[in-house]
Order: sequence, then structure tokens, then C-alpha cells
Amino acid sequence: QVQLQESGPGLVKPSGTLSLTCAVSGASISSSNWWNWVRQPPGEGLEWIGEIYIDGSTNYNPSLKSRVTMSVDKSKNQFSLKMTSVTAADTAFYYCARATSDWFDPWGQGTLVTVSS
Amino acid sequence: DIVLTQTPLSSPVTLGQPASISCRSSQSLAHNNGNTYLSWLQQRPGQPPRLLIYNIYKRFSGVPDRFSGSGAGTDFTLKISRVEPEDVGVYYCMQTTQLPYTFGQGTKLEIK
Repeated sequence: QVQLQESGPGLVKPSGTLSLTCAVSGASISSSNWWNWVRQPPGEGLEWIGEIYIDGSTNYNPSLKSRVTMSVDKSKNQFSLKMTSVTAADTAFYYCARATSDWFDPWGQGTLVTVSS
Repeated sequence: DIVLTQTPLSSPVTLGQPASISCRSSQSLAHNNGNTYLSWLQQRPGQPPRLLIYNIYKRFSGVPDRFSGSGAGTDFTLKISRVEPEDVGVYYCMQTTQLPYTFGQGTKLEIK
């Protein structure tokens, strides 16, 4: 059973950098899947942030592209998200998810990141 | 970006009765490979999203058969044949035909 688990600081200062990691268990991150990040401000809808493939190829949401970097660590079977110059508008639950050619599953439990001084 | 518009945004339903959610896309979701990458997700309170339906109508593993999807092109529907208490939550349509991937605003299903 594939499981994903997000981790990282729950509080980030404005203008700082948000850094999250998604640990993958039950499957190799080197399998033919794209690894995704999606966020959800509390009480609001879902926003796709971007995805990364094992060869390092990435696709980012143009609305966030200038501030987002994703990476993969094969040795640790995990992938990561960095978002720079954060503001209160970046306060959200951040989810990682695996994408096959047809679907997004599974999703991690999510982690709340609050941007505040 | 492709815009997905869901209706209704809120749906009060009586237990045991059917429910239906519509998702309309600003452009066709038919990929040039012949597939249509429209999925439905369920998010129960305090939980992450969960995949219910993919490629318009295919039920994901473990999803009860009271959930069904239909549609084509720009118009899609999720139906629940008989609503049960555990169906309470927010339902999202999602397209992965074209980058950036996008979601509908969500439809809140609640029990009358």
C-alpha cells in the first residue's frame, strides 16, 4: 500500500522560504509516476502547485512558478517543495500526491503551513 | 487555464435519496490521445481529498458503486444513487488534460 507523508515547519515568517518534504512508502519514487503538490487555504478550494518526475522534469503552475522549486531525493525515496517570498496568502494545507497517467492517488494527510511573524 | 465550474455549490440531501453534481469546463477536456482526464474527488471533514472517479466514469478501487460519473467534452456529472451519512463532505472535479491542472470550486454535500 502506497503512503505519502508530508513534513516541514508549520510556521514560516513573511518573506521567508517554505520548505516541505513528502516521504513515499510502499513504492519506489523511481517508478513511472509524477509526484505532485497541491495546497488548500483553510476553508477554501484546492490549487495545484506543480509536479516532478524522477528524471527531474518539472511542471509548475504559472501563478507560482517564479517562487517554486521541486526536487527529488532517490536515496531517501522522497520529494520536496520550496516556495520563496511567502506571504499570508500562502497559508494553507499542503498536500503531496502521486499522479499516474490517469489519476491522483494516494494523497498525503496534509500539513498546515502558517505564514506569520 | 481551464476553468471548471461546479453546480450547485451546496447540496442538502435526504439520506437514501440521490444527489447529482455538475462540472462544466471552459474548454473540451478530451486529450488528443483520445482520453478525457476528468476526475472526481471527495473530501470529508478534516481529511485529505480521496479519489472517487477518474477518466469521467471509472470508479477507483474500493469506491462504492452508488457513485457514478458521466459526461463528455465540457459537461460532466457525478451522481450518488442513495446518499449515506459517510458521503457528507466536499466534492471536487479536477482536470489533468491540460497544464496547469485545475479544480472546480467544490460542492458541499450535507444532510437535510
